[in-house]
Amino acid sequence: RKEVEQDPGPFNVPEGATVAFNCTYSNSASQSFFWYRQDCRKEPKLLMSVYSSGNEDGRFTAQLNRASQYISLLIRDSKLSDSATYLCVVNRGGYALNFGKGTSLLVTP
Amino acid sequence: NAGVTQTPKFQVLKTGQSMTLQCAQDMNHEYMSWYRQDPGMGLRLIHYSVGAGITDQGEVPNGYNVSRSTTEDFPLRLLSAAPSQTSVYFCASSYSTGGETQYFGPGTRLLVL
Repeated sequence: RKEVEQDPGPFNVPEGATVAFNCTYSNSASQSFFWYRQDCRKEPKLLMSVYSSGNEDGRFTAQLNRASQYISLLIRDSKLSDSATYLCVVNRGGYALNFGKGTSLLVTP
Repeated sequence: NAGVTQTPKFQVLKTGQSMTLQCAQDMNHEYMSWYRQDPGMGLRLIHYSVGAGITDQGEVPNGYNVSRSTTEDFPLRLLSAAPSQTSVYFCASSYSTGGETQYFGPGTRLLVL
């Protein structure tokens, strides 16, 4: 089983829609969780960290379920500029970040 | 601040050639790492460094060497290029361990013929 698994998509949604991505991780000892965004042919950039209590940043909400070992990202009121690949990232401690393969989102007019 | 810079942006090599991918950061970060990204794969860690003079292997280290003589620079050397090393290479840095936000360079696209 891969350490971090994501549905690759693509998710095609119209502007204004709400879309949710899930990610599962296999190592129960994982300590830190993140969502990164990667635009086509660009470097990944941190979108948000994911905290146990859940956290929100504008239109983006991230949640962590340690018991079920999954992380979610909810995007409300999708914009064309949200089109990108979203990477789920898990740190099981120390220096090793494990990246999911990413979920592709395309927001259409 | 320039952040994390990488050179070259693009490179074509022939099988068996060697080359060095350069990475530099001006944020005084202790932790630096190299990843490769292939289609259908997540980013995979090649080597990392937790400070000047200290390096260690990641998930896919074979065929690559690194050194860290200064805090700022972390070059990646391909010893004898193979077509399987065709990939996009990203350098990243962070203040301390991998649990912190990692800042990525713009990447080097490498094609090995």
